[in-house]
Amino acid sequence: EPEVTQTPSHQVTQMGQEVILRCVPISNHLYFYWYRQILGQKVEFLVSFYNNEISEKSEIFDDQFSVERPDGSNFTLKIRSTKLEDSAMYFCASTVTDTQYFGPGTRLTVL
Amino acid sequence: GDSVTQMEGPVTLSEEAFLTINCTYTATGYPSLFWYVQYPGEGLQLLLKATKADDKGSNKGFEATYRKETTSFHLEKGSVQVSDSAVYFCALSDQNFGNEKLTFGTGTRLTIIP
Repeated sequence: EPEVTQTPSHQVTQMGQEVILRCVPISNHLYFYWYRQILGQKVEFLVSFYNNEISEKSEIFDDQFSVERPDGSNFTLKIRSTKLEDSAMYFCASTVTDTQYFGPGTRLTVL
Repeated sequence: GDSVTQMEGPVTLSEEAFLTINCTYTATGYPSLFWYVQYPGEGLQLLLKATKADDKGSNKGFEATYRKETTSFHLEKGSVQVSDSAVYFCALSDQNFGNEKLTFGTGTRLTIIP
């Protein structure tokens, strides 16, 4: 069964560094999303992406964040200058209908 | 804005017990409702969904009915197993067009003891 994959599974970085989180959505899906979950808190929407542009973004998704689909398979989330409060689990999801399929997540730890 | 309120956890039950996890929602439109499950070390998996009022979603013995009058979507299972131990998330999508963001509840950690 097709699945969404994410790399790395765990990323440790120093505050102020740039990180890129990678996702490979399911191949025929058209809509892509990033969510995050700070430990012990809700899963929160960050951004949705369709037809090579952002469809919607939350107030969390400020100028430090960007997304890109650099080729036909990858979907990336970049954080330009990480803060301590960016430490969280980041989930990628994709869909072609009304059901979003999630990846296993990347745990980002900012020191 | 949209919101989902979910039963606080953790919940611990004995095997074969009856399970209810409460979920209520607030939405401006006519949302689709979902239950996702997260097993240890894995991503979020869709457990079941309902797209309109009075619909019942079901999967793997779990059920939830979309109650518009009480704005609820409670998850139930008649007899839980150890393998049901996981975190359960209630979520809504505020339109039925298939590309709207999900709004999640806080998640309920369920542990089933033999």
